[in-house]
Formats: sequence, structure tokens, C-alpha cells
Amino acid sequence: QQKVQQSPESLIVPEGAMTSLNCTFSDSASQYFAWYRQHSGKAPKALMSIFSNGEKEEGRFTIHLNKASLHFSLHIRDSQPSDSALYLCAVSMMNSNNRIFFGDGTQLVVKP
Amino acid sequence: NTKITQSPRYLILGRANKSLECEQHLGHNAMYWYKQSAEKPPELMFLYNLKQLIRNETVPSRFIPECPDSSKLLLHISAVDPEDSAVYFCASSQSGISNERLFFGHGTKLSVL
Repeated sequence: QQKVQQSPESLIVPEGAMTSLNCTFSDSASQYFAWYRQHSGKAPKALMSIFSNGEKEEGRFTIHLNKASLHFSLHIRDSQPSDSALYLCAVSMMNSNNRIFFGDGTQLVVKP
Repeated sequence: NTKITQSPRYLILGRANKSLECEQHLGHNAMYWYKQSAEKPPELMFLYNLKQLIRNETVPSRFIPECPDSSKLLLHISAVDPEDSAVYFCASSQSGISNERLFFGHGTKLSVL
């Protein structure tokens, strides 16, 4: 079964800093890689996703995928207090019965 | 997010039977139930894809899903157990394939006494 692990478990950064979150997966057949953000007491919400090696930028957020290393990451430029949340990485494969595997999450706190 | 509505928002139960409800207004073909226990990521319980049920075999049999139509999803729970205390999220996606974005409802927080 797919194993998805995130690091670090928690992170405190000052406002304006660059934040880097990491996710590793175990199945090299994985084809879909995404980050979800969950503010306290709220539902998870998709941030961005990537399918092929390389990077993708949307505003202050960049996702980077290296399939050979079984690793992808999320980078947040100019981190804001409103970015404080639980960040969940998500991985799935085709023919996985539509199952998305979530990591355990990284709790991010951005201090003003 | 008012495009996926869940009811009730909060539920406190002893060993009783209860149903959770979800309705999506996105025109999606796939609907899901996820369970999120404290300090844990969401875990898939059930998926309906064009009304075909796919279940996570680790889910206890006291949880029974129902999909009366493509926009509605129910979760019937009989004789709840304290380990069932969690937030139950309904989610939907366009086609139910595994590389699609999930849209989550606000969740139902279940507390079992």
C-alpha cells in the first residue's frame, strides 16, 4: 500500500519568510501529486497539483516534483499569517480505486 | 463553501443510530465520505462514482452509505462507538478518477459519549 510521509511535522516561520514543505511517497507508479491546505476547524481545500516532473508556480506557491526521488515539495514565498494551517500532501495512482493517499500533514505557523 | 452542504454540523450521541447528509451543487459525478480523527489526515471511507460504490474494507459494518441520486449522499451509522468520534467530511469530484481535485464540505463533527 502507498505510504506518504511529510516533513517537518510542524514549522514556525516569521512573516515574509520562504517556507518549504516536503512529501515523500513509496509507489513509483504514482501519477498525481497535490497539496491541500486545512485551516483550523475548516475543510481541506486543494491548493495546487502537478502530474509531471518539474515545477509549477501559482502566485506565492510553487510545487516541485521529482518522481525519481519519490519526492515533491511546496514552497511558499513571502509567507503570511493567513498561511498558518495544516498542509496535507496527496498522492494517487491510476487504477487505485479513486483513492487519494494523504500524508499526516505539516502544521505551519507564520508569526507576524 | 456552500456548494457542498452537510448536516448536521455537530452531533453528540450515546449508542444510537443516526444519519449524516450531504448534497453537492457542483454537478459532479463522484461523491465521497472521509473520516478525520483528531491529529490525523482524512481517510477515505466510501466513494460513489456514478452511483457505483467503492468501499474501504477497513470501515466497520455499522457504517452504511447511501446515494439516492448523483447529488446526494447519506451515511447511516448504527450503534456508534467512542472510536467513531471524528469529523466526517463529504467530498465530490468531477468524474471520480484518482487524479482529480476533491471539493470538501464543511464536515460534521461527531462526538460519541
